[in-house]
Amino acid sequence: QKEVEQNSGPLSVPEGAIASLNCTYSDRGSQSFFWYRQYSGKSPELIMSIYSNGDKEDGRFTAQLNKASQYVSLLIRDSQPSDSATYLCAAGRRALTFGSGTRLQVQP
Amino acid sequence: GAGVSQSPSNKVTEKGKDVELRCDPISGHTALYWYRQSLGQGLEFLIYFQGNSAPDKSGLPSDRFSAERTGGSVSTLTIQRTQQEDSAVYLCASSPEDKRTEAFFGQGTRLTVV
Repeated sequence: QKEVEQNSGPLSVPEGAIASLNCTYSDRGSQSFFWYRQYSGKSPELIMSIYSNGDKEDGRFTAQLNKASQYVSLLIRDSQPSDSATYLCAAGRRALTFGSGTRLQVQP
Repeated sequence: GAGVSQSPSNKVTEKGKDVELRCDPISGHTALYWYRQSLGQGLEFLIYFQGNSAPDKSGLPSDRFSAERTGGSVSTLTIQRTQQEDSAVYLCASSPEDKRTEAFFGQGTRLTVV
């Protein structure tokens, strides 16, 4: 069974700090990896995609992928209160498998 | 519109009734997904359509659930003889035809079975 595991949190960080979110996946055939942000009562919003080993940076966000360890992470630099949300990790080849999400709280 | 459109946004139905949920994907997107999210939970995969290929139905929880996609565009998810445990937000997503499955979600249909 394909699984994506995340710590449910909450992960609490002070404003301006780096938030580090982690995810592991079980399907070694996964080719695509994504991070989605979901505010309470809203639908998931795509924030990062990564397909090859290494780091990918986009503004304050950096996604990291290590296929050998089956590990994906998301770093959020200079965290803002508006970043407070649940972050969903997804992996797959065609249909995506989602983790249950990590709730991030950025304290002003 | 430019995004994935779902209707209705909210649906309250009596136990035992059938419901139909509609999804209109982003124009030109050939892949379409249905997921279910219960309160405070992650996304549960239901079904995946890609072009003219046979759909991946491996996530449908029971034979009360079915989905179709007409003309490679609009999709309908049907739940027959609804049960209280079917209450959830049903999310539809679409993505372009390539192996980079960046999926974009609609706003969801909140289904409440009473």
